[in-house]
Amino acid sequence: GIQVEQSPPDLILQEGANSTLRCNFSDSVNNLQWFHQNPWGQLINLFYIPSGTKQNGRLSATTVATERYSLLYISSSQTTDSGVYFCAVERGGGGADGLTFGKGTHLIIQP
Amino acid sequence: DTEVTQTPKHLVMGMTNKKSLKCEQHMGHRAMYWYKQKAKKPPELMFVYSYEKLSINESVPSRFSPECPNSSLLNLHLHALQPEDSALYLCASSQDLAGELFFGEGSRLTVL
Repeated sequence: GIQVEQSPPDLILQEGANSTLRCNFSDSVNNLQWFHQNPWGQLINLFYIPSGTKQNGRLSATTVATERYSLLYISSSQTTDSGVYFCAVERGGGGADGLTFGKGTHLIIQP
Repeated sequence: DTEVTQTPKHLVMGMTNKKSLKCEQHMGHRAMYWYKQKAKKPPELMFVYSYEKLSINESVPSRFSPECPNSSLLNLHLHALQPEDSALYLCASSQDLAGELFFGEGSRLTVL
């Protein structure tokens, strides 16, 4: 199956800092999403971004499908940004395999 | 608030019990999913339904039995589970296969 690697695995930052999270994947994809999982387990959609660039407030994401990676940018971090950020992909090619998740980046924002 | 609703939020069951997890969405989505997530691990796909038909079964043990009564409902029937099946069970839906997934809040299952 498709491989998804996220980096860094852990990240500790001070409030107000900026960060970049990376997601590499091993095959062409027709679906790529970024999620934030809060401490209660809820997976919150951040971006549906199989290609291109999107922005939503302090968050933005870029996927370069031809080079098989995606980046999530968080600016002016707040303590509520803490949690686990997952990248998830679905392989392209006409099939439907469901989303495969990376292992996540555990982000801690300290006040 | 999530538009995918899961019940119950917490469930404790013995290894001989039979229980069910329920999931409901009213977004008109035609694909629904069950994922399993162990502590400090990513979610893992269990089942996919598309237009109420089972599309993907990721070699899940038969003690987990999915059911899709209609396009808005998805159940997961549990029987003779093991303690290692304790996990967060997440339901999701999308407009179609390969579409944007929306997750429910999950059902946290403990098997004693």
